[in-house]
Amino acid sequence: DIQMTQSPSFLSASVGDRVTINCKASQNINRYLNWYQQKLGEAPKLLIYNANSLQTGIPSRFSGSGSGTDFTLTISSLQPEDVATYFCLQHNSWPTFGAGTKLELK
Amino acid sequence: EVQLVESGGGLVQPGRSLKLSCAASGFTFSNYGMAWVCQAPTKGLEWVASISTGGGNTYYRDSVKGRFTISRDNAKNTLYLQMDSLRSEDTATYYCARHGDSSPFAYWGQGTLVTVSS
Repeated sequence: DIQMTQSPSFLSASVGDRVTINCKASQNINRYLNWYQQKLGEAPKLLIYNANSLQTGIPSRFSGSGSGTDFTLTISSLQPEDVATYFCLQHNSWPTFGAGTKLELK
Repeated sequence: EVQLVESGGGLVQPGRSLKLSCAASGFTFSNYGMAWVCQAPTKGLEWVASISTGGGNTYYRDSVKGRFTISRDNAKNTLYLQMDSLRSEDTATYYCARHGDSSPFAYWGQGTLVTVSS
């Protein structure tokens, strides 16, 4: 299985901050990497697919970058409603997930 | 609007069976591959099984092969997960997910909790 190492596991930031979350794959996954947001008690929501494509309806402050083994989710200006857990998923082969990043407001 | 609603979770003894359902609406169910994903308490997400649009192709993670069966009824717009020979390590919230036009796991339900304990 491809291992996904996500960092940091916890992040505290202020409204308006630029926030970055990283995922590193144990082998080349090309651009087959998705990012999700999960708020407490809600279903996970797809934010970014195939490394850098913004899902319909997702605010443009969310962006993704990377290819191969290293990927980044960026929130350009943190909003209060962005408090959630974020996780990555590789789908280059049998799908595996990152462990998640819990994002809180400072 | 895509909606996926899981049901069928609960408390079950080790070695027993449970069948989960996922009712789909807001899209043409038969056009999309589907999957089950689980999340054990305080742990990360794990893919469990996937099924093709017509149900003819199914795929499982190694730890559930031979014990779990994914299936679908396109006439009823429903996805299933038959879980047999349950173990304590199967305790988790189980989510159903729909694949998208450009990516898998595009839409998720809110999950149903399965607890395997004596």
